[in-house]
Amino acid sequence: QQQVKQSPQSLIVQKGGISIINCAYENTAFDYFPWYQQFPGKGPALLIAIRPDVSEKKEGRFTISFNKSAKQFSLHIMDSQPGDSATYFCAAIVSGTASKLTFGTGTRLQVTL
Amino acid sequence: KAGVTQTPRYLIKTRGQQVTLSCSPISGHRSVSWYQQTPGQGLQFLFEYFSETQRNKGNFPGRFSGRQFSNSRSEMNVSTLELGDSALYLCASSRRQGASGNTIYFGEGSWLTVV
Repeated sequence: QQQVKQSPQSLIVQKGGISIINCAYENTAFDYFPWYQQFPGKGPALLIAIRPDVSEKKEGRFTISFNKSAKQFSLHIMDSQPGDSATYFCAAIVSGTASKLTFGTGTRLQVTL
Repeated sequence: KAGVTQTPRYLIKTRGQQVTLSCSPISGHRSVSWYQQTPGQGLQFLFEYFSETQRNKGNFPGRFSGRQFSNSRSEMNVSTLELGDSALYLCASSRRQGASGNTIYFGEGSWLTVV
């Protein structure tokens, strides 16, 4: 059972444009939603994270928007740069007694010149 | 401060063999989790250890096992390897269990190829 659905599978954006990646979850017990960035040959690196009591969180060019009622959240990358080209994973977790992340399927982002 | 260290980085094994992968968490981190990453199944949780005890287990067969030592270092073992076990195995560490505000850091992984 896929508990976190992510779209699109791949995305091509021009330099300076906005990249938008969407995720939806089913398990209402999830209460922490991190995004990870993964470059080829590397492990995932935490990019930004949000709790459901917040509708938006911004860190530099990266913003998470969260819609609790719709059980959806999205990552916006403003002023996308070629160095942002990577695979992005949304994830969800039930915080408290476990560190088990449930990941989305990933979005391969390519930022062109 | 050193990150999560995994060894070996690359290895090739034959079907039926077993393999042991090692993970050294960030200093001070007591929770270690393992994930399998494949193109078809994505990132899937294998198990988590905290204070030398398995706290959580994913939906993998019993051929996959792990342990954690008193210094928080962890190993995972896969016995009777199958071709489908070819994957990137990622170790992650965090200071404590649970996630809210508790950043989970990943290592660069061990690439396992089963032939």
